[in-house]
Amino acid sequence: DSGVTQTPKHLITATGQRVTLRCSPRSGDLSVYWYQQSLDQGLQFLIQYYNGEERAKGNILERFSAQQFPDLHSELNLSSLELGDSALYFCASSEFRGSPLHFGNGTRLTVT
Amino acid sequence: SQQGEEDPQALSIQEGENATMNCSYKTSINNLQWYRQNSGRGLVHLILIRSNEREKHSGRLRVTLDTSKKSSSLLITASRAADTASYFCATDAISTLTFGKGTMLLVSP
Repeated sequence: DSGVTQTPKHLITATGQRVTLRCSPRSGDLSVYWYQQSLDQGLQFLIQYYNGEERAKGNILERFSAQQFPDLHSELNLSSLELGDSALYFCASSEFRGSPLHFGNGTRLTVT
Repeated sequence: SQQGEEDPQALSIQEGENATMNCSYKTSINNLQWYRQNSGRGLVHLILIRSNEREKHSGRLRVTLDTSKKSSSLLITASRAADTASYFCATDAISTLTFGKGTMLLVSP
């Protein structure tokens, strides 16, 4: 058990809709990362937060946004969903920059 | 864009054999990490090697790093069926950890 909790485990929704994915980091970890994993693109870094502030941005679409709250949990919001957004979305946390990441078990998003 | 690229994409071996996976990357790094992913599950950290290290061991795992060639290898000795998984290298460079597309390892009993 990595200590990182992601909810929900599965999400099925229609194109054009909006969803929110939630992540609770491992106790003591201040950094939260979001990754998208699909068969064709592999594991793509989306965004990183450290203690509530955005620290790094990757290949995150404008339709996607995230935030980290004072209790350190994070949410990833995906809007105007398209079929191509279907993927596994992982949250990970780490103690400090450069230290190993601890991954949750992901949210599998299916857009129909 | 992917920083690390693993090779081979897939590897099939028998139990007891050794498995070697390679990773090449493009830019200077602070460290390189290897992760394992069982089907549909989250990635699990295996080992971290810093840019000033050349070799590291952890149980049946041996990792090498050649910064002049911008490459790393992961060796799993005496493989077991339970080692069946995808293995990813990840490079810590400028701002965050970037993963390759992974090597799928199948270990047959």
